[in-house]
Order: sequence, then structure tokens, then C-alpha cells
Amino acid sequence: AQSVTQLGSHVSVSEGALVLLRCNYSSSVPPYLFWYVQYPNQGLQLLLKYTTGATLVKGINGFEAEFKKSETSFHLTKPSAHMSDAAEYFCAVSEDQAGTALIFGKGTTLSVSS
Amino acid sequence: DGGITQSPKYLFRKEGQNVTLSCEQNLNHDAMYWYRQDPGQGLRLIYYSHIVNDFQKGDIAEGYSVSREKKESFPLTVTSAQKNPTAFYLCASSIKRDQPQHFGDGTRLSIL
Repeated sequence: AQSVTQLGSHVSVSEGALVLLRCNYSSSVPPYLFWYVQYPNQGLQLLLKYTTGATLVKGINGFEAEFKKSETSFHLTKPSAHMSDAAEYFCAVSEDQAGTALIFGKGTTLSVSS
Repeated sequence: DGGITQSPKYLFRKEGQNVTLSCEQNLNHDAMYWYRQDPGQGLRLIYYSHIVNDFQKGDIAEGYSVSREKKESFPLTVTSAQKNPTAFYLCASSIKRDQPQHFGDGTRLSIL
């Protein structure tokens, strides 16, 4: 069975600092990987996705993630944090071959201080 | 504008009552999903449907029911058998089952 582990339920950074949110997955088949962001009392918005091809994926709002098969990781980064980045972030893996829905990590709350 | 509409945004239920959460999409997506979100637990799948008139149980289907009579609609009923229904419920849809999901803004259900 597939699973996702997000290391650190809370991450705090200063404005302008590097953002690094960690995600590791387990999968017996080539995974589809996703990062979503959620602002308070709202739904989830897709930041970026990895399906096949280039392992460095660029998303919206300056975020990017790198798929590393050898490390089974898909960490999310942003070079310089902005106050508006404060939100909850979810990593997810898709069981595409099984045809079921996304499996989500438990989320990481990002706080940005001035 | 195309999107997913969940209603109501806030819902209150008395003990022993069934309540139905609405989810409508005008994106012409085949697949629709219901998730439950609790603090610190991420999203857990309740039910999903990849085609009209067909749906499957997710990881936590007990105490919930769904229908998919129309492509654009996937209502979720929280029955009295669900002993801990207080949560944030999210509906999502995707073009196909292995494509990125688009989410509604959620319904927050509370017990009076």
C-alpha cells in the first residue's frame, strides 16, 4: 500500500528565508506525486505535481519540488519565504494504477515571521 | 466560472439526525471524491466515484452514504451511525481518476 510521511507538523521561518517542507512516500509502482496548499477554512489548491519526465518540478507562487526516487522523497522548497506563504501544506501520492484516490500526508503548517 | 461548489459552508446537526452535504461541479469531470479533515490527521477518503451511478468506499466510509445520479453532483449524507461527525468535509473532482484533483471550499459540520 502507498503511504506518505511529512516530516514536521510545524515549520517556522523568517520572511526571506528558505522554505523546506519534507515529504517521503512509499509505493510499489511509479508514483504520481502532488503538493497542495490550504489556507484557513478553504479547500486545497494544487501547487505542483510530478507524473513522469523531469524530476525538478516548478509550481505556482515560486515553489518547486524534486522527485528523488533513490530517497523516495518529494521535498517542497521556495528560496525566499513571503508572509502570504503561511498556510498548511499537504503532500499526496496517487495510486494511479489501482484507480483509487489520492493518499495524503498529515500536513505541515508553515508559519512565516517578519 | 468553472469550479466546485460545496454547500452549506457551515452546518449544525442534532444528535440522531442525518444531514446531507452538497457538492456540485461544472467542470465536466468524471471522478468525484469526499474527504474528511480533522486537525493533525490530514485528509481521509470517505467515498469516491469514477463514473455516474457507481461509487466505492474509501478508508472511513462507515456512517456515511453517497449517490451519483448525475455527473455534476455527488452529495454526501452523514448518518446518525457516524458517532463523531464533527469535522471539515472536502469534496474534490478530477477529469480522470489519475489526474490532479480540484477541491471545493469545504463544509464544516458541528454537533449541537
